[in-house]
Amino acid sequence: AQSVTQPDIHITVSEGASLELRCNYSYGATPYLFWYVQSPGQGLQLLLKYFSGDTLVQGIKGFEAEFKRSQSSFNLRKPSVHWSDAAEYFCAVGEVNNDMRFGAGTRLTVKP
Amino acid sequence: DSGVTQTPKHLITATGQRVTLRCSPRSGDLSVYWYQQSLDQGLQFLIQYYNGEERAKGNILERFSAQQFPDLHSELNLSSLELGDSALYFCASSVTGTPNSPLHFGNGTRLTVT
Repeated sequence: AQSVTQPDIHITVSEGASLELRCNYSYGATPYLFWYVQSPGQGLQLLLKYFSGDTLVQGIKGFEAEFKRSQSSFNLRKPSVHWSDAAEYFCAVGEVNNDMRFGAGTRLTVKP
Repeated sequence: DSGVTQTPKHLITATGQRVTLRCSPRSGDLSVYWYQQSLDQGLQFLIQYYNGEERAKGNILERFSAQQFPDLHSELNLSSLELGDSALYFCASSVTGTPNSPLHFGNGTRLTVT
């Protein structure tokens, strides 16, 4: 079965520092990959998606992610983190039987 | 604002009771998904509907059921509630309900079973 792994449960970065959140997936073919963000008390919001083509995709709020087939990874990055980026981030994979599998999430804390 | 509306926002009920959660999808979206989010289980897929028909089933208990109505709104029914059912229940919608169709989430219904 397809699976999504986010190895880091919690990450703390200083405001202005760069950020990389890791995501690994297990799937036979090229999957449909997504990153979502969840602010406290809110639902999940789509940051970006990858289906095919250019392996570096840009999203909202200055985020980008890179698909690396050889490493089965889809890591999320941001060059300079803002305090408002503090939230929970979820990597997700679209499955052929139509449901979407989510990783366990990575909670981001931003230090002033 | 995602355009997905969930009601109620909060629900407190006792064990053994039955509740109904309601979801109105984003305008134009034909597919509705239900997810359960808890601290120990994370975000678990329950069930998906497309244009009124069940399309995919995940980790949904037999005590839980759902349906999507002709106007595309959906209801999730939870019965014989147990303490462990306390969680945040999310509804999400997408245009086509296919794996490449991003999901738009509501703000969730927080269910507390006492």
